[in-house]
Amino acid sequence: GNSVTQMEGPVTLSEEAFLTINCTYTATGYPSLFWYVQYPGEGLQLLLKATKADDKGSNKGFEATYRKETTSFHLEKGSVQVSDSAVYFCALSARSNDYKLSFGAGTTVTVRA
Amino acid sequence: DAGVTQSPTHLIKTRGQQVTLRCSPISGHKSVSWYQQVLGQGPQFIFQYYEKEERGRGNFPDRFSARQFPNYSSELNVNALLLGDSALYLCASSLRTENYGYTFGSGTRLTVV
Repeated sequence: GNSVTQMEGPVTLSEEAFLTINCTYTATGYPSLFWYVQYPGEGLQLLLKATKADDKGSNKGFEATYRKETTSFHLEKGSVQVSDSAVYFCALSARSNDYKLSFGAGTTVTVRA
Repeated sequence: DAGVTQSPTHLIKTRGQQVTLRCSPISGHKSVSWYQQVLGQGPQFIFQYYEKEERGRGNFPDRFSARQFPNYSSELNVNALLLGDSALYLCASSLRTENYGYTFGSGTRLTVV
């Protein structure tokens, strides 16, 4: 079946540091890939997405590139801020699974001033 | 425009009781999905509805049921509550069931004591 594996946390960084969170997937067919962010006490917000191979999703300084050859969708940000402290989830959806979202376990990121 | 709204925001129930959670999708969205997020884990798919019909069901017991109304709002019912049902229940809406991406509500935090 479809599944997502993402880097375990927690991750603690200083402000302006470089952030990368690894995500790899297993899927039948050609999934779409997503990064969602969850701030403390809130629901999920879509951060970025990519729907086909080599697409790059970007938003708020975050980027991720859909790499079919390595089945990966790593999240990166060049200079993090304290406000980026949150839990980040990698997810996929595919026609083979009726487009339901399959999530990774989440990575907690804490940015210190 | 209002986003996905869920009610109530918090709920405390006793083991064995029944609970109903409610969700109103974004205007124009015809698909509603429910996810359970246990503390420290990624969300797990429970149900998907489209045009009032069930389009998918996750690996949850029959104590979990749902329905979608003509105005596309939805209810999730859980009977005979167990301590393990304590979680954040998330509702997500999308335009259709295909790969348009999902918008999540802020969730209902259910605590079973």
